[in-house]
Amino acid sequence: KQEVTQIPAALSVPEGENLVLNCSFTDSAIYNLQWFRQDPGKGLTSLLLIQSSQREQTSGRLNASLDKSSGRSTLYIAASQPGDSATYLCAVKGDFGNEKLTFGTGTRLTIIP
Amino acid sequence: DTAVSQTPKYLVTQMGNDKSIKCEQNLGHDTMYWYKQDSKKFLKIMFSYNNKELIINETVPNRFSPKSPDKAHLNLHINSLELGDSAVYFCASSPRGAYNSPLHFGNGTRLTVT
Repeated sequence: KQEVTQIPAALSVPEGENLVLNCSFTDSAIYNLQWFRQDPGKGLTSLLLIQSSQREQTSGRLNASLDKSSGRSTLYIAASQPGDSATYLCAVKGDFGNEKLTFGTGTRLTIIP
Repeated sequence: DTAVSQTPKYLVTQMGNDKSIKCEQNLGHDTMYWYKQDSKKFLKIMFSYNNKELIINETVPNRFSPKSPDKAHLNLHINSLELGDSAVYFCASSPRGAYNSPLHFGNGTRLTVT
């Protein structure tokens, strides 16, 4: 059974700093890994999707890496801004096209102005 | 031009009642999902429909019954509501067979059972 863990559960950093969020998963037989952002009272917004054959994906100030063999992914946020404050969740999709995503419990990020 | 819309946004009801949550997507996606987010913010899939056909049915009480009248709609009906059903329920959609496409989520329905 796949388990996804995100540590820390909460993180506060001053505006302008670079930061890294961590995600680990127990079963390396994944199809892809996705990072989402959730704002209070809102749904999830997809940020980046890394296919199992890829090592990283970049979008603007965000960079996600994937080390499938060790069961780890990181989300790097450069030059953080107050608008980056949200909960960040990672989710893995099982191999062989399994439609089911297994989510981590998220990291609540606060950027201090 | 909301892509995935859920109604209602908030739902407060008493134990034992029956309630429904509606979901509609205008993205042309074939696959729709219901997720439950508990008080600890843990998201877990409940159901998945592919073009009106049930393809994922996790260990969910029989009191929960999804209904898909067409591929753009996936409604969730809950019978005999219990306190433990209180949570935020999210609807999501994705293109069929597009295993490397991200999910698109609605804004959630916060259900409170008193």
